[in-house]
Amino acid sequence: GAVVSQHPSRVICKSGTSVKIECRSLDFQATTMFWYRQFPKQSLMLMATSNEGSKATYEQGVEKDKFLINHASLTLSTLTVTSAHPEDSSFYICSARMTSKVNEQFFGPGTRLTVL
Amino acid sequence: SQQGEEDPQALSIQEGENATMNCSYKTSINNLQWYRQNSGRGLVHLILIRSNEREKHSGRLRVTLDTSKKSSSLLITASRAADTASYFCATVSGGETSGSRLTFGEGTQLTVNP
Repeated sequence: GAVVSQHPSRVICKSGTSVKIECRSLDFQATTMFWYRQFPKQSLMLMATSNEGSKATYEQGVEKDKFLINHASLTLSTLTVTSAHPEDSSFYICSARMTSKVNEQFFGPGTRLTVL
Repeated sequence: SQQGEEDPQALSIQEGENATMNCSYKTSINNLQWYRQNSGRGLVHLILIRSNEREKHSGRLRVTLDTSKKSSSLLITASRAADTASYFCATVSGGETSGSRLTFGEGTQLTVNP
């Protein structure tokens, strides 16, 4: 149980285009989902916290107009990187937390974004 | 430097040896967690230790927590080549029902040579 999927696993796009990444909790309801960014050989940096039915809370320094987050249902959150640039190339990982286990986050497999 | 610093940054050992990784943090915490990440993959939760606990075991894993020194260690005994991965500590501060955001350390890259 507690499986989180991400789609796509890998995406290559041209500079200026927008890319949407989906994060799904497959066998549980996730009231809260988190989006992280990880550069090569570095740690995970929290970008935003997404609660179902409400606006996401962004970390300092993360542009909310550039990284659009939607958490429309208890099993799906999306991250859209708008007008992507090469510096947005990174590994994006989501995690989901269930109401009954607030201390544990279940992570998706990640999405590798490459912006040309 | 950020909450959750780890050392060493990289560790290379032979199969069968023990691997010890350390994590230090700065603020008071509710709990500390260790995660494993295989290259280019998501994170797998290994173990959670609460702030009022000092030691915890899970299979070949042993975690200690010293809140006076604001540090934790992860010991993997009898390592295997399949243990090769990056290991991250992550702390949770603040109210357990409000956010419970994780703050990750820099990670230790463990290589277990067969």
